Amino acid sequence: EPEVTQTPSHQVTQMGQEVILRCVPISNHLYFYWYRQILGQKVEFLVSFYNNEISEKSEIFDDQFSVERPDGSNFTLKIRSTKLEDSAMYFCASSESGARKFGNIQYFGAGTRLSVL
Amino acid sequence: AQKITQTQPGMFVQEKEAVTLDCTYDTSDQSYGLFWYKQPSSGEMIFLIYQGSYDEQNATEGRYSLNFQKARKSANLVISASQLGDSAMYFCASRLNYGGSQGNLIFGKGTKLSVKP
Repeated sequence: EPEVTQTPSHQVTQMGQEVILRCVPISNHLYFYWYRQILGQKVEFLVSFYNNEISEKSEIFDDQFSVERPDGSNFTLKIRSTKLEDSAMYFCASSESGARKFGNIQYFGAGTRLSVL
Repeated sequence: AQKITQTQPGMFVQEKEAVTLDCTYDTSDQSYGLFWYKQPSSGEMIFLIYQGSYDEQNATEGRYSLNFQKARKSANLVISASQLGDSAMYFCASRLNYGGSQGNLIFGKGTKLSVKP
């Protein structure tokens, strides 16, 4: 069964360093998302991406964050200068279609746990 | 704005019994989708079931069913014949199908289900 793949599963970094989280969405999917989950809290939307551009972003997704689809398969989230409060589980998700199609299901990867020291 | 409320931080159920996890939502939109995801201790987010606001029948997927009461704005998840492997966090989520937040999911805080042998 096709799945969303995220690497690495765990990333440890020093405050102020740049990190890139990588995702390979399901191959025929066109819409891509990043969410984060701070330990013990609910999952929060960061950004959605379609047709090589950001469709929507939340207040969390400030100038420190960027997303890119560098090739036909990868989808990346970059955090330029990490802060302690960026420590969280980051989930990539993909869907075959956008919100306007009923039944659009977002399939999530296993997540990358980011620890900022 | 959408809001998802899960009032049960934790639930216990005996193996082989049925359990209902509560979810209420708050939206003034007429067109929306409701989702349940399971998050085992390993961290991944697993899609379980979807209900569209215009669906007349309650959604069912194997042992999972969704008790959708539109007038009460509730979308409770029912798990029949609980198994030990059902022990996990369960998140209810919603998504508008038109305009505004076109794709992102809004999550509740989750319910931790523990199945007792």
